[in-house]
Amino acid sequence: DAGVIQSPRHEVTEMGQEVTLRCKPISGHDYLFWYRQTMMRGLELLIYFNNNVPIDDSGMPEDRFSAKMPNASFSTLKIQPSEPRDSAVYFCASSPPGPYTGELFFGEGSRLTVL
Amino acid sequence: AQKVTQAQTEISVVEKEDVTLDCVYETRDTTYYLFWYKQPPSGELVFLIRRNSFDEQNEISGRYSWNFQKSTSSFNFTITASQVVDSAVYFCALRTNAGKSTFGDGTTLTVKP
Repeated sequence: DAGVIQSPRHEVTEMGQEVTLRCKPISGHDYLFWYRQTMMRGLELLIYFNNNVPIDDSGMPEDRFSAKMPNASFSTLKIQPSEPRDSAVYFCASSPPGPYTGELFFGEGSRLTVL
Repeated sequence: AQKVTQAQTEISVVEKEDVTLDCVYETRDTTYYLFWYKQPPSGELVFLIRRNSFDEQNEISGRYSWNFQKSTSSFNFTITASQVVDSAVYFCALRTNAGKSTFGDGTTLTVKP
């Protein structure tokens, strides 16, 4: 079975440009998470969805960040305009539905460098 | 709000030593779930173990064991007879019944030959 698929794996862009990161969760999973990992801030939860609905976006750093999940098999994280401090590895993860709250299955990450 | 604290930033051991990684958590929920994940140098995040808040039985799985103590809000993870391939960053995580999953800052384990 395919795991969580993220694209692009690497993105280098210039400050001010729009960046879109994409995620395809594992089929049948109804939770989707976006995390950002940096050396300084560790692994931060940005937003998570349940059944395509955003449940908690309190980790989204500012209005430049937005995330959508138009259907059960696709989500995007957009940064507009990008800044050098947004450079990080962005992970998408999904998890299956209940009855218990299970582990997260992570994609390989998208490494973003903003020059 | 929930919080996960991994006080040990880095640990270095020699191969075959046992090593324990500490994790302390905070949550107001009465039902929650605790996890350990491993991130090897290749960068992927891999699930290792899970424990439910209503089950304090400690377990052993191969070289891994964990000690969950609700009274002290701790969920420590032990690797027995460490190997070089165990070198990685280890994350403790707390997941609420609502689904939110919060990670600690990670502990970098280096196992020297």
